[in-house]
Amino acid sequence: DIQMTQSPSSLSASVGDRVTITCRASQSIGSYLNWYQQKPGKAPKLLIYAASSLQSGVPSRFSGSGSGSDFTLTISSLQPEDFATYYCQQSYSTPRTFGPGTKVDIK
Amino acid sequence: EVQLVESGGGLVQPGGSLRLSCAASGFTFSSYWMHWVRQAPGKGLVWVSRINSDGSSTTYADSVKGRFTISRDNAKNTLYLQMNSLRAEDTAVYYCARERSWNDLQGRAFDIWGQGTMVTVSS
Repeated sequence: DIQMTQSPSSLSASVGDRVTITCRASQSIGSYLNWYQQKPGKAPKLLIYAASSLQSGVPSRFSGSGSGSDFTLTISSLQPEDFATYYCQQSYSTPRTFGPGTKVDIK
Repeated sequence: EVQLVESGGGLVQPGGSLRLSCAASGFTFSSYWMHWVRQAPGKGLVWVSRINSDGSSTTYADSVKGRFTISRDNAKNTLYLQMNSLRAEDTAVYYCARERSWNDLQGRAFDIWGQGTMVTVSS
């Protein structure tokens, strides 16, 4: 199975900050990497698919990059509604493993 | 509106059984692979199982293999998860999710999620 790691596990940031979250796969997964946002008590929401493609309706302040085994999610200017937990997921193979999550909270 | 609605969760004793359902609407259900993902209280997302579009192929996480069965009824636009021999560690919110593929990219992702249904295994 492909293992996914994320760093940091949590971060505190202010509105307007640029935030970067990294994700690493235990083997090369090409661009089969997705990012999800989850708020408490809610289902996850797809933000980025294929490493860098923005899901319809997602604000352009979210962006993704990377290929192979190292990936990054960037929020260019953090907004109040962005405080949430972010998960990466590989879709290269089954099981479709998720990273452990990065919780973004208010500084 | 494209949506998935889960049902069937509840409180069950260890060793018991439960069947979850996920009703799909607003899209051609029979065209998509479907998945179950769970989340224990305060924990992260864990993939559980998947089924291909016609139901002929299934895969399971090692933690549920031999105890859980995923199935679908494309005529009823419904996905199922039969859970047997339940354990305390199966306690979680269970989500169904649609997997969309982008053939021109190296892309497939869970683009539609249900609201989740809580399963609690306790005596």
